[in-house]
Amino acid sequence: AQSVTQLGSHVSVSEGALVLLRCNYSSSVPPYLFWYVQYPNQGLQLLLKYTSAATLVKGINGFEAEFKKSETSFHLTKPSAHMSDAAEYFCAVSDPDNYGQNFVFGPGTRLSVLP
Amino acid sequence: EAGVTQFPSHSVIEKGQTVTLRCDPISGHDNLYWYRRVMGKEIKFLLHFVKESKQDESGMPNNRFLAERTGGTYSTLKVQPAELEDSGVYFCASSLTDSFGYTFGSGTRLTVV
Repeated sequence: AQSVTQLGSHVSVSEGALVLLRCNYSSSVPPYLFWYVQYPNQGLQLLLKYTSAATLVKGINGFEAEFKKSETSFHLTKPSAHMSDAAEYFCAVSDPDNYGQNFVFGPGTRLSVLP
Repeated sequence: EAGVTQFPSHSVIEKGQTVTLRCDPISGHDNLYWYRRVMGKEIKFLLHFVKESKQDESGMPNNRFLAERTGGTYSTLKVQPAELEDSGVYFCASSLTDSFGYTFGSGTRLTVV
């Protein structure tokens, strides 16, 4: 069964600092991978996705993530944090052989951005 | 295009009462999914509709939960009777048949007291 771990339930960075949110997955085959963000009182918004094309994926709002098969990782980064990035971030995987079926989500990482 | 709409946004009910959550997917999206996040836990899959048919309901926790999608448009998720452990945020999502990635609604926060 697939599983997703996100190291750090809460990450704090200073405004302008690098954002690094970690995601590791467990899957018997390379999955499709996603990062979602939830801003306060809003739904889940897709940041970016990896679907077996380029391993470095660029998303919205300056975020990007790199798929590393050898490390079974899909860490999310942003060079310079902005106050508006404060939100909860979720990594998710799906089985490419059963795409359209359900996602498995990680537990989420809450990002705080300090002035 | 309108997004996925869920209502109510918040619901507070007493243990033993019934609550019905509604989800309106993006028009034309055949796939509709329900997920929930109970406090402090991961977002968990509940079920998946393709049009009006239940494709996968393996995540439904027990028979107190009933989901319907009459006519393949909007969906309802009824909890009857509600228990304290049902508190959490219930998300709905929809997608085109061959789409990568869902569009999620803003969720319904259910509190059972």
